[in-house]
Amino acid sequence: QKEVEQNSGPLSVPEGAIASLNCTYSDRGSQSFFWYRQYSGKSPELIMFIYSNGDKEDGRFTAQLNKASQYVSLLIRDSQPSDSATYLCAGGPPMEYGNKLVFGAGTILRVKS
Amino acid sequence: DVKVTQSSRYLVKRTGEKVFLECVQDMDHENMFWYRQDPGLGLRLIYFSYDVKMKEKGDIPEGYSVSREKKERFSLILESASTNQTSMYLCASSSWETQYFGPGTRLLVL
Repeated sequence: QKEVEQNSGPLSVPEGAIASLNCTYSDRGSQSFFWYRQYSGKSPELIMFIYSNGDKEDGRFTAQLNKASQYVSLLIRDSQPSDSATYLCAGGPPMEYGNKLVFGAGTILRVKS
Repeated sequence: DVKVTQSSRYLVKRTGEKVFLECVQDMDHENMFWYRQDPGLGLRLIYFSYDVKMKEKGDIPEGYSVSREKKERFSLILESASTNQTSMYLCASSSWETQYFGPGTRLLVL
């Protein structure tokens, strides 16, 4: 059974701080990882994806992947109240037919002003 | 921009009714997915399709069926709605990597 695990939270951080969201996965065959943000009552929207070990930066967001430890993280710098949402981690082999992703249950992030 | 639309944002149906949820994407994606999302359970895959008239069961297909007659359209059918199918239903489409989600349909079965 392929699984993606996330701490459900809530993770509370003050405005301007760095929020660190973590995710572990069980399938060593997983090659691609995705972070989605979901506001209450809305659908998930893609923040970024990562395939290679190391860091990938996009604006205030940095995704980190460590395949040896089967660990993915998302750092949000200079956190804003508008970042308050549920963050979903998903993993999947990039070339699998149909691109069936496995999603974690999500971490609730609260940024306090 | 990828656009995925769903036929309804909110639906209220009675137990035993046949329910159709429709999803349309405008990016010529091969792959389309139907999920349901419930508090504490995350996103659960119901069915997916990787081509016209092709479908595969996901993790929770019981009580659901799907139809994909055209590439851009993927329909989810609840043959006989039950109260435990009250949920948020999300459609997604993808090319070979990223999945893009529609706005979701919140279904209430009374």
